[in-house]
Amino acid sequence: DVKVTQSSRYLVKRTGEKVFLECVQDMDHENMFWYRQDPGLGLRLIYFSYDVKMKEKGDIPEGYSVSREKKERFSLILESASTNQTSMYLCASLTSDRGNTNYGYTFGSGTRLTVV
Amino acid sequence: GEDVEQSLFLSVREGDSSVINCTYTDSSSTYLYWYKQEPGAGLQLLTYIFSNMDMKQDQRLTVLLNKKDKHLSLRIADTQTGDSAIYFCAESPSDNYGQNFVFGPGTRLSVLP
Repeated sequence: DVKVTQSSRYLVKRTGEKVFLECVQDMDHENMFWYRQDPGLGLRLIYFSYDVKMKEKGDIPEGYSVSREKKERFSLILESASTNQTSMYLCASLTSDRGNTNYGYTFGSGTRLTVV
Repeated sequence: GEDVEQSLFLSVREGDSSVINCTYTDSSSTYLYWYKQEPGAGLQLLTYIFSNMDMKQDQRLTVLLNKKDKHLSLRIADTQTGDSAIYFCAESPSDNYGQNFVFGPGTRLSVLP
């Protein structure tokens, strides 16, 4: 089974800190994604990457950046954390076959970030 | 743009069937998915259906797709307390590699003893 691992389940950071959220997948997938999940707002796409060193903005990229130096690792960076970035962050990897049949995302277990 | 709608809450008694409904707007959607999220966890893919199918059954789960009405449903037979979770419907429009998944808001299923 595909495994997507997020390094931290819970994080507490101070306003203004630089925060790194790490995500690793073990299936050589090209496409990886970062979402945030907030009550009443559902899942919102922050950034995604379809290859090493490639990144694309999602719906809410402001205040975030990403890094994809290796295929298996996709990092989300909060340059200067703010209280409105308190949220559940979900990383996902896209499961597809060589014919580009799309079987959906595999999600990590999430990182609940609190910014105080 | 694309939109996916679901009712936010559903309560059923243990042993009954649950039916979670979803409507979507993008008629070009190729793939439709159901995800389950247990408290404090990420989303787990339950099942998916291609748009050229009407029905898919997998043990206690039955997915029905009415493409004409853009309506997707998930039926859980013999609902158990372990089925209590939030269920997300999602669509993936064609001609993309996953970056345009659209998720519904999620239906919180509560299973009463």
